[in-house]
Amino acid sequence: ETGVTQTPRHLVMGMTNKKSLKCEQHLGHNAMYWYKQSAKKPLELMFVYNFKEQTENNSVPSRFSPECPNSSHLFLHLHTLQPEDSALYLCASSQERESYYEQYFGPGTRLTVT
Amino acid sequence: RKEVEQDPGPFNVPEGATVAFNCTYSNSASQSFFWYRQDCRKEPKLLMSVYSSGNEDGRFTAQLNRASQYISLLIRDSKLSDSATYLCVVNTGYSSASKIIFGSGTRLSIRP
Repeated sequence: ETGVTQTPRHLVMGMTNKKSLKCEQHLGHNAMYWYKQSAKKPLELMFVYNFKEQTENNSVPSRFSPECPNSSHLFLHLHTLQPEDSALYLCASSQERESYYEQYFGPGTRLTVT
Repeated sequence: RKEVEQDPGPFNVPEGATVAFNCTYSNSASQSFFWYRQDCRKEPKLLMSVYSSGNEDGRFTAQLNRASQYISLLIRDSKLSDSATYLCVVNTGYSSASKIIFGSGTRLSIRP
């Protein structure tokens, strides 16, 4: 199993749809992250979970709803998105949030909102 | 001033050349620093951490200058496979108020 997996890899959804992105890490890490990467912009950290508890929410609109049922799984629930939400959504994990440990990224879900 | 700033490039250098990038950060209390590399349409991958004493991994050398608040990445004897975007990452601390900040990246293109 590769370290961090994400499904689906590509997603096209309408503005009224509800969908979920899934992330799974097989590295025994305790912190998981959601990032958004738009064209020509730096990665934007959206949410951080440390030991299954959400520790950071960087002013993300409520149409994005994260869920972390355990340290290995992370979901991002999407509803009533806007076209400007089209981007690459990356999941990452690290040993824990409060440490020097590096982050390992999944391949991302390329989302297009029509 | 942006919290983390990088020269976007592109840097276009011949194979075998030495190339260096800098990344400046604004928060003097920043705790840890990393260089990631991102290939086109792929996820970022950790290249190396940056330690206070500087560190080297093969052809790659990373340096931290806390006084001037920048980190650097030096690539010697560059290869075609080094072509990528290099992201500077700064972790401002370990409390709930701290942040992980990515730079916009520096594009490097190595030509034969």
